[in-house]
Amino acid sequence: RKEVEQDPGPFNVPEGATVAFNCTYSNSASQSFFWYRQDCRKEPKLLMSVYSSGNEDGRFTAQLNRASQYISLLIRDSKLSDSATYLCAVTPSGGYNKLIFGAGTRLAVHP
Amino acid sequence: DGGITQSPKYLFRKEGQNVTLSCEQNLNHDAMYWYRQDPGQGLRLIYYSQIVNDFQKGDIAEGYSVSREKKESFPLTVTSAQKNPTAFYLCASSQRQGSSYEQYFGPGTRLTVT
Repeated sequence: RKEVEQDPGPFNVPEGATVAFNCTYSNSASQSFFWYRQDCRKEPKLLMSVYSSGNEDGRFTAQLNRASQYISLLIRDSKLSDSATYLCAVTPSGGYNKLIFGAGTRLAVHP
Repeated sequence: DGGITQSPKYLFRKEGQNVTLSCEQNLNHDAMYWYRQDPGQGLRLIYYSQIVNDFQKGDIAEGYSVSREKKESFPLTVTSAQKNPTAFYLCASSQRQGSSYEQYFGPGTRLTVT
């Protein structure tokens, strides 16, 4: 089983739709969680950190469910510009600051 | 402007040649990382360094080498021993933010070896 797993998609949604992605992780002692956005042939850009209490940034909401070992990203009112691949990343236990990435979920928003 | 620079953006080499990828950051971050990304896959950690003159192997270090002589710089050498070197190479840096380390990436170098 991979340490961090994501549904590769693609998720094809119309503009204005609400879409949610999940990311499961296998190590229950994982410490920190992140969502990155990656456009085609570009570097990943940090979208948001995921806190235990959940956090929101505009149209984006991230949640952490430690009991079920997954994080989620909700995008409301999807825009064409939201089309990208969304990568989740997890810091394993042990106090190290390296990240383990999922393979990403592709989102395509159409008019 | 603070950021991470990687050069060159595209690099072409013949099999059997070593090649060094540059990574520089002016964010004053202590930690730096190298990842590779293959088509349709996530990022895999090659090497990381938490402090100058110290670095650790990541998950796929074979065929690669690094140095960390300066805080700002973390070059990666892809040696001829690396069996499948063609990939997208990404450098990142981080600094502790509360209890977590948010990593920020450079624009990457696409290496093609033929």
